[in-house]
Amino acid sequence: GAVVSQHPSRVICKSGTSVKIECRSLDFQATTMFWYRQFPKQSLMLMATSNEGSKATYEQGVEKDKFLINHASLTLSTLTVTSAHPEDSSFYICSASGGPGPASVEQFFGPGTRLTVL
Amino acid sequence: AQKITQTQPGMFVQEKEAVTLDCTYDTSDPSYGLFWYKQPSSGEMIFLIYQGSYDQQNATEGRYSLNFQKARKSANLVISASQLGDSAMYFCAMRESKSGFQKLVFGTGTRLLVSP
Repeated sequence: GAVVSQHPSRVICKSGTSVKIECRSLDFQATTMFWYRQFPKQSLMLMATSNEGSKATYEQGVEKDKFLINHASLTLSTLTVTSAHPEDSSFYICSASGGPGPASVEQFFGPGTRLTVL
Repeated sequence: AQKITQTQPGMFVQEKEAVTLDCTYDTSDPSYGLFWYKQPSSGEMIFLIYQGSYDQQNATEGRYSLNFQKARKSANLVISASQLGDSAMYFCAMRESKSGFQKLVFGTGTRLLVSP
C-alpha cells in the first residue's frame, strides 16, 4: 500500500512560536492532501483540504491565518501552526489520496504529529 | 445532525470471540462510501474496510466484515476471532459524492478492549 510520512512525530514548543509539520507521500503522487486535528479521546476533525498547486480549502471554524497550509508539490504538504498557544496542543494527522488502487476510494494516513505548546 | 454516529464508547470482548461495532450514518447523497479505521495507541490510522453505497454485497477483508444495511443506514463492523492486538479505537467514516468523494467525516469512535 501507499506510504505517507509525517515529520516531526512529536514536537514541543513555547507559546508564541511557529511550528511546521511536513506530510510526504513516499511512493505515490498525492493530488490531494488533508489535514486533521484530534484532541485527546476525541475523533478526527478535518481542518483543511489541499490540492497541489492551489490554495487550501479550510473547514468552517479553522483559522487559515493561524494554520498555514502549503501543497507545493505532488509529494509534500506542510502545515504551519503560527504563534502557537497551549490550546493548539493536539495530534495532527495528514492523509493523502491519489495513490495506488482505486484513487477515489482510499486516503492514506500519516502516523501523526503530537504537538505540545508550553 | 451528526453524519456518523457510533453509540458505543467502549466495547469489551474476549479473545477468539466475535464483536460487532455499531455505526449509523446520515446522508441524502445517493452515492457515498463508508470506511472503518483502526487507531492503536500509537496514533496511526489503519484502513480496515470499505463499502460503497452501490455495492451489492457486504465487504469483507480477512477477519473484518461490514454488515451494510442501506435502508437502516447502518454499517456495522464485525470482527471475528478477536485477537489481543485488536484492542484499539475504531472509527467509522463516510465520504459523499457531493464533496467530490474527498471529505471524510468521522464518528466519535469506539474503544475496543480484547481480554485474554
